[in-house]
Amino acid sequence: EAGVVQSPRYKIIEKKQPVAFWCNPISGHNTLYWYRQNLGQGPELLIRYENEEAVDDSQLPKDRFSAERLKGVDSTLKIQPAELGDSAVYLCASSPLAGVPNEQFFGPGTRLTVL
Amino acid sequence: AQSVTQLGSHVSVSEGALVLLRCNYSSSVPPYLFWYVQYPNQGLQLLLKYTSAATLVKGINGFEAEFKKSETSFHLTKPSAHMSDAAEYFCAVTPTGTASKLTFGTGTRLQVTL
Repeated sequence: EAGVVQSPRYKIIEKKQPVAFWCNPISGHNTLYWYRQNLGQGPELLIRYENEEAVDDSQLPKDRFSAERLKGVDSTLKIQPAELGDSAVYLCASSPLAGVPNEQFFGPGTRLTVL
Repeated sequence: AQSVTQLGSHVSVSEGALVLLRCNYSSSVPPYLFWYVQYPNQGLQLLLKYTSAATLVKGINGFEAEFKKSETSFHLTKPSAHMSDAAEYFCAVTPTGTASKLTFGTGTRLQVTL
């Protein structure tokens, strides 16, 4: 079974530039999560999707961050414009069913460096 | 609101020694608790989870954790450390009934020496 796929793995941009991250969850997983992990910290949830609906985006900085999950499968997270403080690892995770204590499967992450 | 506190950002043990990584939780409702491991440049992998069944939970790679309500703790242990255990370990909590909103601790980096 293929795991959660993320691309790119690394991205270096200058501040004020846009950037996008892509995530392909495990086949059949209807719940998808985007997390941000700052250096030396645990992951923090940005947004959670149930199929194509964003059901929890309370931690997403909506002035510069946006996300979409077309057709309830792949997802894209965008930052425009990027700021120095956005440097972090962006993790995507998926799980097969919400509302039960199931495991979240994480991708390898995208390491973003904003110069 | 739920939160977890991991005591010790860095832990160093000798190969073959006991591994003990500490996690204390704060929750207004009975929680579900998780331990994840993160190897360099990789995503997080679930080691084990507590979901209000047995208080002693066994996970992968020889790890286990015990839920102690009286101490609000969920410490991770392994009897004998191996070099391959060197990684970052995260404790996480979510309210009972859903694993959708995990709140992670700040992590503990485990170093294993010869």
